[in-house]
Amino acid sequence: KNEVEQSPQNLTAQEGEFITINCSYSVGISALHWLQQHPGGGIVSLFMLSSGKKKHGRLIATINIQEKHSSLHITASHPRDSAVYICASRVRNFGNEKLTFGTGTRLTIIP
Amino acid sequence: DAGITQSPRHKVTETGTPVTLRCHQTENHRYMYWYRQDPGHGLRLIHYSYGVKDTDKGEVSDGYSVSRSKTEDFLLTLESATSSQTSVYFCAISAHNEQFFGPGTRLTVL
Repeated sequence: KNEVEQSPQNLTAQEGEFITINCSYSVGISALHWLQQHPGGGIVSLFMLSSGKKKHGRLIATINIQEKHSSLHITASHPRDSAVYICASRVRNFGNEKLTFGTGTRLTIIP
Repeated sequence: DAGITQSPRHKVTETGTPVTLRCHQTENHRYMYWYRQDPGHGLRLIHYSYGVKDTDKGEVSDGYSVSRSKTEDFLLTLESATSSQTSVYFCAISAHNEQFFGPGTRLTVL
């Protein structure tokens, strides 16, 4: 059974700090997703990656396939980055894909 | 947002009543999913569909049924709602190797 664990569960930081959120998974996957959920509930896809590193603005996502680990980094954090960040591992099976989600990391950035 | 809408957005109902949630998409995507989100749990897959009239169970399918008679609509039915089904329900579609989520439906079963 594929399990996805995130750490930390909660993170509070000052504006401007460098943020790292970690995600570990237990089985071989085809891809790893990072999602963002703001208060009010909408879920937005940030990254989908299967190897290496991706960058979008102040957000960077990395994945180490051998170690079954991914990290999401936020540089120069801002209060508007406050949200729940969710990682999800994707497994393909006979043409169907299924995601297994972590429980999320609640990030609060204090001005 | 991949043109995904959910209805209703909020619903309060009583134990034992039937409830149907609707997910509608406008872009003819083949794969559609229903998830529930509860505190302390990640999003959990209830059912998914890989085409019209083609559906399969997810990890928490007990007490739920689905139907997909048209590409654009994926319905989730609680035949007899229970308090344990109080949750936020998200519909999603799969496109371009990513999943896109609807805005969610908050369901309260009293």
